[in-house]
Amino acid sequence: GENVEQHPSTLSVQEGDSAVIKCTYSDSASNYFPWYKQELGKRPQLIIDIRSNVGEKKDQRIAVTLNKTAKHFSLHITETQPEDSAVYFCAAFEEYGNKLVFGAGTILRVKS
Amino acid sequence: DTEVTQTPKHLVMGMTNKKSLKCEQHMGHRAMYWYKQKAKKPPELMFVYSYEKLSINESVPSRFSPECPNSSLLNLHLHALQPEDSALYLCASSQLLSPWGKNIQYFGAGTRLSVL
Repeated sequence: GENVEQHPSTLSVQEGDSAVIKCTYSDSASNYFPWYKQELGKRPQLIIDIRSNVGEKKDQRIAVTLNKTAKHFSLHITETQPEDSAVYFCAAFEEYGNKLVFGAGTILRVKS
Repeated sequence: DTEVTQTPKHLVMGMTNKKSLKCEQHMGHRAMYWYKQKAKKPPELMFVYSYEKLSINESVPSRFSPECPNSSLLNLHLHALQPEDSALYLCASSQLLSPWGKNIQYFGAGTRLSVL
């Protein structure tokens, strides 16, 4: 089955700096890669996603890149703000299993 | 409306109690999911329902019993739980055959369960 590894486990940045979180996946058949943000005590919320036929996607201050050959994808947050502080989970959709496989999560702290 | 509603928000139960968690969505989604989440860990898939039929059971102990009475509702019946079952239980829903092959899952706010 699919296995998703996520790094780093914690990331502290100064407000205004950029943050990058990286994930690797094992199953080349996985074709959909969402990123979820979960604030303390809240539900996971989809912030951006990418399909396997796309290399990069951007939405304002966040972007995701995908390298299918290397089987890794990354989340980029620019001009970080304190409200970006949260746990971020990457995931890969295992189509034949019809399920999302999550990475272990990254705790992002933005210091003001 | 991308709302998935879960009740109750909090639940405390003893190891001999029977309780149920409820989940509701009105987005017309035909896939619904139960996840268990421990603090600062990723959601851990428990069950998947597709067209109101159980399609995935991730080897969950029988003290957890899911039920999907109709396309909008999902229940999780709890019986004889252990303290280690204390966690946040999340429900999610998605389209089964979504445009562009995306499995966008919308999560509820969860039920925080404490087993004493």
